[in-house]
Amino acid sequence: DIQMTQSPSSLSASVGDRVTITCRAGQTISHYLNWYQQKPGKAPKVLIYAASNLQSGVPSRFSGSGSGTDFTLTISSLQPEDFATYYCQQSYSTPATFGQGTKVEIK
Amino acid sequence: EVQLLESGGGLVQPGGSLRLSCAASGFTFSTYDMSWVRQAPGKGLEWVSAIGGSGGRNTYHADSVKGRFTVSRDNSRNTLYLQMNNLRADDTAVYYCAKDRGSGWYNFDYWGQGTLVTVSS
Repeated sequence: DIQMTQSPSSLSASVGDRVTITCRAGQTISHYLNWYQQKPGKAPKVLIYAASNLQSGVPSRFSGSGSGTDFTLTISSLQPEDFATYYCQQSYSTPATFGQGTKVEIK
Repeated sequence: EVQLLESGGGLVQPGGSLRLSCAASGFTFSTYDMSWVRQAPGKGLEWVSAIGGSGGRNTYHADSVKGRFTVSRDNSRNTLYLQMNNLRADDTAVYYCAKDRGSGWYNFDYWGQGTLVTVSS
């Protein structure tokens, strides 16, 4: 199984801050990397697919980059509605695996 | 509008069985691979099972459920199923069905709202 490791596990930030979350795969996964946002009591919502493609309807302040083993999700200017938990997930091989999550909290 | 609506969750004793359903609408169901993903209380996301689109001949299960869970689909009813047997306490979770976007496996673009399965005596 491909292990996905996110950092940090949690962070505190203020509205307007630039936030970066990293995800490292245990082996190369090319661009087969998705990012999801999850709010308490809700289903995950896809933000970025194939490492850098913005899902339709997702604000442009979200962006993704990387390939191989190292990936980044960036929120350029944090908004109140962005406080949530973020997960990366590899779709390179079975089983699909997720990172442990990064909780973004209000400072 | 794509909609996925899970049902069938509830409280079951260890060793018991449940069948989850996911009713799909708003897209051509038979065209897309589908998965089940679960989330234990306060924990992260865990992929459980997947099934191919047309015919559903291809199925995959996580090692943690292999031999106990079976994924299936009825394309005439636009419904995905997860038969769960010999349930254990560590199967307690919210179970989500998720639709693939159509560009290979495990690229989920829509998720249902989830159904809670609690395994406890």
